[in-house]
Amino acid sequence: SQQGEEDPQALSIQEGENATMNCSYKTSINNLQWYRQNSGRGLVHLILIRSNEREKHSGRLRVTLDTSKKSSSLLITASRAADTASYFCATDDGNKLVFGAGTILRVKS
Amino acid sequence: DAGVIQSPRHEVTEMGQEVTLRCKPISGHNSLFWYRQTMMRGLELLIYFNNNVPIDDSGMPEDRFSAKMPNASFSTLKIQPSEPRDSAVYFCASSLPEAGSYEQYFGPGTRLTVT
Repeated sequence: SQQGEEDPQALSIQEGENATMNCSYKTSINNLQWYRQNSGRGLVHLILIRSNEREKHSGRLRVTLDTSKKSSSLLITASRAADTASYFCATDDGNKLVFGAGTILRVKS
Repeated sequence: DAGVIQSPRHEVTEMGQEVTLRCKPISGHNSLFWYRQTMMRGLELLIYFNNNVPIDDSGMPEDRFSAKMPNASFSTLKIQPSEPRDSAVYFCASSLPEAGSYEQYFGPGTRLTVT
């Protein structure tokens, strides 16, 4: 069963706009990760945030984590057409990861 | 580094046939994961190995599925006999959690179609 649930399921924006995706999970975690999947490809790790962190940045990505609400958000600033992909959050369960259903992001040029 | 290597990339087979998917993890990684991705069920963990030993196979759908990891650089996922509902993209991923890095590196996947 899926631990993380992303919201929205799909998002369509114009190039240059910001994109925000949210993830909610059910049980306590040690860390939460975000992955990107381009069509027809494997998942690619974007960023990891630990349970004792509240915010983390990597380039145009900003991730927040609220353990009290069991939720995380991924913000992509100044989006580009190349950001078009599916984005998944994943929570740890020991050495395993449990992935959410994903958000499909389309960036229109 | 070539990344995680999977073969074949595409497999089309008839119901009842045996299918073997192959994976070569990143050199030095000691955890290996097999996932299945479908539109209906999303990304599901089937089984994972640590130091070549199966740790959790609770995601393996049924006895028709089996996985092996004879050495640190090779793993197989076998389906016998295959059924149309096994059609999916199968991913292999590897990681090195002992180094404090929990990110997983995914292969390109094998798209399986069972007719």
